[in-house]
Amino acid sequence: QQQVKQSPQSLIVQKGGISIINCAYENTAFDYFPWYQQFPGKGPALLIAIRPDVSEKKEGRFTISFNKSAKQFSLHIMDSQPGDSATYFCAARAAQGGSEKLVFGKGTKLTVNP
Amino acid sequence: GEEVAQTPKHLVRGEGQKAKLYCAPIKGHSYVFWYQQVLKNEFKFLISFQNENVFDETGMPKERFSAKCLPNSPCSLEIQATKLEDSAVYFCASSQYRGLTQPQHFGDGTRLSIL
Repeated sequence: QQQVKQSPQSLIVQKGGISIINCAYENTAFDYFPWYQQFPGKGPALLIAIRPDVSEKKEGRFTISFNKSAKQFSLHIMDSQPGDSATYFCAARAAQGGSEKLVFGKGTKLTVNP
Repeated sequence: GEEVAQTPKHLVRGEGQKAKLYCAPIKGHSYVFWYQQVLKNEFKFLISFQNENVFDETGMPKERFSAKCLPNSPCSLEIQATKLEDSAVYFCASSQYRGLTQPQHFGDGTRLSIL
């Protein structure tokens, strides 16, 4: 119930294309869904986040789509650039008992070819 | 500071030795979190603090792992009698307040290698 399932494991996209990464969860107590971007040797950096009462959030080239009934959410990267090549993690915050901990998906390695 | 600072960047220990990792949260942040990232990218929550008080320790292997956040000192994560399976990158994160949409800001981690 505490899991967040992420797919695909890896993704190769051409420059200018759209990258789409999907996540699914079971725990309806999750109340906050951030996406993190991680470069090799670095810590995860918050990219964009959404609450379950919102169906879509857009920041620049990055959009989260959220489907509460299906318990699924996805990250869309428009006009993908080689600099976007990184590992992306979806996460969910488990609010039960007041805990603030994040539960992470297993990551998607994105490669954007020039 | 404006970033979560973790030291050392890389720590090598022989199996059975002690390892101690440090984390300085962003100035003004009250919450500190420790996560373990193993080779397959999986993040595992270990423990969180609200100032110097343990907030959630449900992820801590209590037999060998301990952590502290003392006033005016970096937070620390200590592993006694390390095992090969403890090899991982340990990330610290901090957030300013508790509550919905409060982001967790991560440091660059400490890579622990147990030989």
